[in-house]
Amino acid sequence: KAGVTQTPRYLIKTRGQQVTLSCSPISGHRSVSWYQQTPGQGLQFLFEYFSETQRNKGNFPGRFSGRQFSNSRSEMNVSTLELGDSALYLCASSLYGGSKYEQYFGPGTRLTVT
Amino acid sequence: GQQVMQIPQYQHVQEGEDFTTYCNSSTTLSNIQWYKQRPGGHPVFLIQLVKSGEVKKQKRLTFQFGEAKKNSSLHITATQTTDVGTYFCVKNDYKLSFGAGTTVTVRA
Repeated sequence: KAGVTQTPRYLIKTRGQQVTLSCSPISGHRSVSWYQQTPGQGLQFLFEYFSETQRNKGNFPGRFSGRQFSNSRSEMNVSTLELGDSALYLCASSLYGGSKYEQYFGPGTRLTVT
Repeated sequence: GQQVMQIPQYQHVQEGEDFTTYCNSSTTLSNIQWYKQRPGGHPVFLIQLVKSGEVKKQKRLTFQFGEAKKNSSLHITATQTTDVGTYFCVKNDYKLSFGAGTTVTVRA
């Protein structure tokens, strides 16, 4: 099976712009989660989608949003970018999510905001 | 914030030596997962522990879940250069709550 894919891999944006990141989960996986990784804050949970519904949400401002499509592919959007949004954004897929199943991470999208 | 605490934050190990990294939670965990992230890479699932006192081995890696299900440990024997990376213990309750990780470097 192909792994989790994320596009684009690298992105440079300027403050105030918005960005959309894409994630394709492993075939058959219905849960997709998004994480932000920075040197200062480590790995932080953004949100999880399951069957096109946001099932869980982390403590991030409303500028961060996401959605999931019927084929389980997911996108996340960050509006009005700030310098502090520079980070590695990781997507992870899981069969059903929840506490029983491991998550498989994609390679990430490295976002730089200037 | 983080719900699991990991120590040490950094571990510098001589090749061939053993080391242990510890993970502690203030609350009882339903399970604990461990992930490894190589430099420049993404987290990769290693193992999940569910039962009180559970011990699982993967070659040179031994994972343990505490009796009270509030702590866990990862012990690596005969460290190799391939063990370089950051090891995270993770609380999984629909979202993954990562510890800060233990970053391991190996001296050849």
